[in-house]
Amino acid sequence: DVKVTQSSRYLVKRTGEKVFLECVQDMDHENMFWYRQDPGLGLRLIYFSYDVKMKEKGDIPEGYSVSREKKERFSLILESASTNQTSMYLCASSFVWGPGANVLTFGAGSRLTVL
Amino acid sequence: KNEVEQSPQNLTAQEGEFITINCSYSVGISALHWLQQHPGGGIVSLFMLSSGKKKHGRLIATINIQEKHSSLHITASHPRDSAVYICAAPTGTYKYIFGTGTRLKVLA
Repeated sequence: DVKVTQSSRYLVKRTGEKVFLECVQDMDHENMFWYRQDPGLGLRLIYFSYDVKMKEKGDIPEGYSVSREKKERFSLILESASTNQTSMYLCASSFVWGPGANVLTFGAGSRLTVL
Repeated sequence: KNEVEQSPQNLTAQEGEFITINCSYSVGISALHWLQQHPGGGIVSLFMLSSGKKKHGRLIATINIQEKHSSLHITASHPRDSAVYICAAPTGTYKYIFGTGTRLKVLA
């Protein structure tokens, strides 16, 4: 089974703290994504990466950065957390080519609360 | 207007009922993705389809690319089917447009 593992299911942080959300996939997927999910707004893309050290901004990158030093690991960083970043964060990955290309596999999600 | 619209937004059904969730899109795509999200849980891929119909157990997905419409059907619904169902349109290698989801509750 393809697995996308997110390091923390629930986090509570204080305003101004630096927050790291880790995501690891074990299927050699080229693409990795970070989304946030908010009620009524659906899934919105923060950043994606199509290769090691490569990253592209999504629709809502402000206040976030990412790191992909190894193919299997994609980290989301909140440099200085703010209350409006309280949300569910979902990591996903996919192949670029071949059978199953573009089929997203999601992690279990990380629910972040910023106080 | 969203590029991917789902209906209904909320749906309550009795166990055993036949359920239909609809997804209409205005973007040009070659395939559509149906996803399922259980309360508090991650998202699971149900189907990716580009034409016709796909079936997995009690779930059936259909798509008409020309009419830009897809449906997800659940036969003999069960309380464990209670979840949010999301359709997603891949518009490029990296870009997906997501519907806002249909929240389904199946009562025993």
